[in-house]
Amino acid sequence: DGGITQSPKYLFRKEGQNVTLSCEQNLNHDAMYWYRQDPGQGLRLIYYSQIVNDFQKGDIAEGYSVSREKKESFPLTVTSAQKNPTAFYLCASSTLQVSNQPQHFGDGTRLSIL
Amino acid sequence: AQTVTQSQPEMSVQEAETVTLSCTYDTSENNYYLFWYKQPPSRQMILVIRQEAYKQQNATENRFSVNFQKAAKSFSLKISDSQLGDTAMYFCAFMKHTYSGGGADGLTFGKGTHLIIQP
Repeated sequence: DGGITQSPKYLFRKEGQNVTLSCEQNLNHDAMYWYRQDPGQGLRLIYYSQIVNDFQKGDIAEGYSVSREKKESFPLTVTSAQKNPTAFYLCASSTLQVSNQPQHFGDGTRLSIL
Repeated sequence: AQTVTQSQPEMSVQEAETVTLSCTYDTSENNYYLFWYKQPPSRQMILVIRQEAYKQQNATENRFSVNFQKAAKSFSLKISDSQLGDTAMYFCAFMKHTYSGGGADGLTFGKGTHLIIQP
């Protein structure tokens, strides 16, 4: 079955530590996205990528970094510069070949501070 | 920049009733798309319904329908014959049309409405 796989499901970070969240898709989608969800908030866009080796900052990119070395993969690194990383992180993807296509989401990663 | 506002943090209705969730948005774009996503306790994001701004006809998907008022920038979701499985967070989302492909810039979400269906 085609879909988006996020791992791990739960992740814990120590102070001053960088952690990387994995996102893999086998939908052959061009674009991939990372969103952050906090309690009582909607999803907010962190980074997105339309093509391999290229990506753009979203609304809340500070303290995060990404890479897009393969079409299928879009890992997100939460750096020590992100002072409030506790949140639920969702990865999504979409095709760019047809307009109005919705984004497909993974099951998310919950990140907590130790 | 776009903003999406959902003014009802929580709603509760009895099973089999009809419920309407409100959503307003602000944009200077003329070509865009609107979506309603459902997020049950499992935290999965599930697409409920979509609407293209250039279409005047309101979208429908089985028990789900929208009332899209472009001039008023309003996009409400109506759920008919509500079921216990409809209990979830519902998010309204905006997507700007881009010439590199729809959705290339990402979605802008409202803060969500927590819908509770009572037995």
